[in-house]
Amino acid sequence: RKEVEQDPGPFNVPEGATVAFNCTYSNSASQSFFWYRQDCRKEPKLLMSVYSSGNEDGRFTAQLNRASQYISLLIRDSKLSDSATYLCVVNMFNQAGTALIFGKGTTLSVSS
Amino acid sequence: DAGVIQSPRHEVTEMGQEVTLRCKPISGHDYLFWYRQTMMRGLELLIYFNNNVPIDDSGMPEDRFSAKMPNASFSTLKIQPSEPRDSAVYFCASSDRGYSYTFGSGTRLTVV
Repeated sequence: RKEVEQDPGPFNVPEGATVAFNCTYSNSASQSFFWYRQDCRKEPKLLMSVYSSGNEDGRFTAQLNRASQYISLLIRDSKLSDSATYLCVVNMFNQAGTALIFGKGTTLSVSS
Repeated sequence: DAGVIQSPRHEVTEMGQEVTLRCKPISGHDYLFWYRQTMMRGLELLIYFNNNVPIDDSGMPEDRFSAKMPNASFSTLKIQPSEPRDSAVYFCASSDRGYSYTFGSGTRLTVV
């Protein structure tokens, strides 16, 4: 079983729509959680961190449920510029070090 | 800050040839990561270093792959001999104490 699993989509939505992405992770020792955004043929870039209390950044809301090992991202009032691949990411720490583990990504296409 | 610098941006090589990918991390970052991205497998962690020391190379596909970090400002990922299935985008990323990851623009490798 892959450590981080996401629905690959694609999600095709009109401008102004609300869309939600979900992600599950397998290792309960995971300690930090993120959503990254990746545009076509570009490198991944941090979109936002995810906290148990839930956090919001403008039109974006992220939520973490540690008990269910579940992470979500909600995008409200979708814009054309939101079209990208959204990567669910967990950061695992151990005695040796730390590394980001990525899901395969969910593709979003916003159309006018 | 120039960010994480990878070279070359594109590499086309024939099966059996040696390929060397290069990475210059952000100055002061103590972690360096090599990832590989394909459509089928997404972003996979190959190996990472902390203070120039390899910490976890369990993601390296096989003995044909090797990585070095001779100093804090330079790392290489070598494939010898290369095979068509190695075709992918290879990303290098660096991090300060495991926080705030920054990715390079990637090297798009094609093995024919």
